[in-house]
Amino acid sequence: GAGVSQSPSNKVTEKGKDVELRCDPISGHTALYWYRQSLGQGLEFLIYFQGNSAPDKSGLPSDRFSAERTGGSVSTLTIQRTQQEDSAVYLCASSYGGVTNQPQHFGDGTRLSIL
Amino acid sequence: GDSVTQMEGPVTLSEEAFLTINCTYTATGYPSLFWYVQYPGEGLQLLLKATKADDKGSNKGFEATYRKETTSFHLEKGSVQVSDSAVYFCALSSGGGADGLTFGKGTHLIIQP
Repeated sequence: GAGVSQSPSNKVTEKGKDVELRCDPISGHTALYWYRQSLGQGLEFLIYFQGNSAPDKSGLPSDRFSAERTGGSVSTLTIQRTQQEDSAVYLCASSYGGVTNQPQHFGDGTRLSIL
Repeated sequence: GDSVTQMEGPVTLSEEAFLTINCTYTATGYPSLFWYVQYPGEGLQLLLKATKADDKGSNKGFEATYRKETTSFHLEKGSVQVSDSAVYFCALSSGGGADGLTFGKGTHLIIQP
């Protein structure tokens, strides 16, 4: 069956530009998560959606980062005025209901490179 | 806050050797514990999980037992294969999903024929 789909798979952009990353979760999964994977920081949790609602946005690295989810499905992570330290692989995951013992299923990620 | 500590490696073993990758955690309450694997060029995949103390998760010959008394979830396999070469991540979830997963730094495993 279809897994978590992320696009684009690779994105190269100049410092200062805005980027938008997209995640299409597994059908029926109500919980959606964004993570960032970088060499120095490992895997960092950014934000979680239950349905269209994100109860806590404190994991986002700065106010240049924002995320939204519409229709309980597709989510976008937007980074404004990108900086070189934003270079990383951005991973999206989804699961049933956001309960503790439900495993998260990950997409292949978007590799973001800021020149 | 929650944290996960695991050996970073790289860990290099010969084929058919016994594998242990240590993982210890700090968390409030009773977290669920996971091992994820990332094969070269692929995304993160769930390998196994355990949701309460003394539970044993197993998959593809790998096992890990949730030890509350030692706050550990060590990954073991009796006889590794070259195809097991990958990065292995220990992770926990204690916030009912709302806090996401807390990951260890990952252990790079290299199996030589």
